Amino acid sequence: ETGVTQTPRHLVMGMTNKKSLKCEQHLGHNAMYWYKQSAKKPLELMFVYSLEERVENNSVPSRFSPECPNSSHLFLHLHTLQPEDSALYLCASSDGQVVAGELFFGEGSRLTVL
Amino acid sequence: GENVEQHPSTLSVQEGDSAVIKCTYSDSASNYFPWYKQELGKRPQLIIDIRSNVGEKKDQRIAVTLNKTAKHFSLHITETQPEDSAVYFCAARSSGNTPLVFGKGTRLSVIA
Repeated sequence: ETGVTQTPRHLVMGMTNKKSLKCEQHLGHNAMYWYKQSAKKPLELMFVYSLEERVENNSVPSRFSPECPNSSHLFLHLHTLQPEDSALYLCASSDGQVVAGELFFGEGSRLTVL
Repeated sequence: GENVEQHPSTLSVQEGDSAVIKCTYSDSASNYFPWYKQELGKRPQLIIDIRSNVGEKKDQRIAVTLNKTAKHFSLHITETQPEDSAVYFCAARSSGNTPLVFGKGTRLSVIA
């Protein structure tokens, strides 16, 4: 039913752990995004990849490291996170060769940093 | 860059009443204004959008209006139903290859 799949759905990690979030889209889209969703805050754009090249990096701390090996897969590598990084991380994709069009979101990965 | 303000942050209405959510944007070059609905525990999904060459757009019980002069746009839901309960996000995008900028969201509760 879903065109954008995220794993894991829930993740608890310590501040010294290294983990990765995975996103896969089956819609044939060319652009993929990572958003951070925290309570009472707007959806915060973290990274954008268009045709597998990073086109946006909104001053995200280096403890978040994205990887886009192909147009269908997007990863977010996490290391030495802080408790304030606890949030819902949403992956999205859109059609076209430019950053445009309707965003199709995944269900999100709920991250808790202890 | 673009900045989007959304009000109110929470809204409760009786079933059958109308709900209105308002957003303002800062960049006069913005030309695309979508609205996303996020039900509890679910992903955000596009419900309606409007482009700057149109003043109003309607789809069944939902409508969006755009005032380019005042730089604000609104979502109107008529005859609200319990399944309309969700968080609604407005967004705006400047011309060119710029990503959407979202508002903080409005939590709508429809009371049966």
